[in-house]
Amino acid sequence: EPEVTQTPSHQVTQMGQEVILRCVPISNHLYFYWYRQILGQKVEFLVSFYNNEISEKSEIFDDQFSVERPDGSNFTLKIRSTKLEDSAMYFCASTEDTAPTQYFGPGTRLTVL
Amino acid sequence: QKEVEQDPGPLSVPEGAIVSLNCTYSNSAFQYFMWYRQYSRKGPELLMYTYSSGNKEDGRFTAQVDKSSKYISLFIRDSQPSDSATYLCATSRGNRDDKIIFGKGTRLHILP
Repeated sequence: EPEVTQTPSHQVTQMGQEVILRCVPISNHLYFYWYRQILGQKVEFLVSFYNNEISEKSEIFDDQFSVERPDGSNFTLKIRSTKLEDSAMYFCASTEDTAPTQYFGPGTRLTVL
Repeated sequence: QKEVEQDPGPLSVPEGAIVSLNCTYSNSAFQYFMWYRQYSRKGPELLMYTYSSGNKEDGRFTAQVDKSSKYISLFIRDSQPSDSATYLCATSRGNRDDKIIFGKGTRLHILP
């Protein structure tokens, strides 16, 4: 069964450093998303992406965040200058053209020291 | 008012029991209602979804939506220890690029 994959599974970085989180969505899917989940809290929407541009972004997704689909398979989330409060699980999700339900990857745990 | 509210539990039931999980939501614009299962430090796994009001059954799982009362339910029959996880209810307006709004999740423990 096809699935969303994410790398790395765990990223540790120093405050102020740039990180790039990578995702490979399901191959026939056209809509891509990033969410995050701070430990003990709910899963929160960050950004949606379709046709090589951002469809919607949340208040969390400020100028420090960016997304890119550099080729036909990868979808990346970049945080330019990480803060302590960016520590969370980051989930990539994708959906095909026929249903709004989204399929999630296993997540990248980001730890900012 | 929070968009999706869900009792975080934990909820502990004996193996074989029927489990009832519930959520309420506030926005009448929501059209799709989903249940995700999440194991510790893993991604949410889509269990099932319904469109608008009504019931949907998939094996031991039944999802119910009552739009008049903005109430979402998930029933698990013949519960198994492997059902132990956090169950997230979620909604969206239904456009394909729409975000999903999640509840906080209910931790469920099935006791052998």
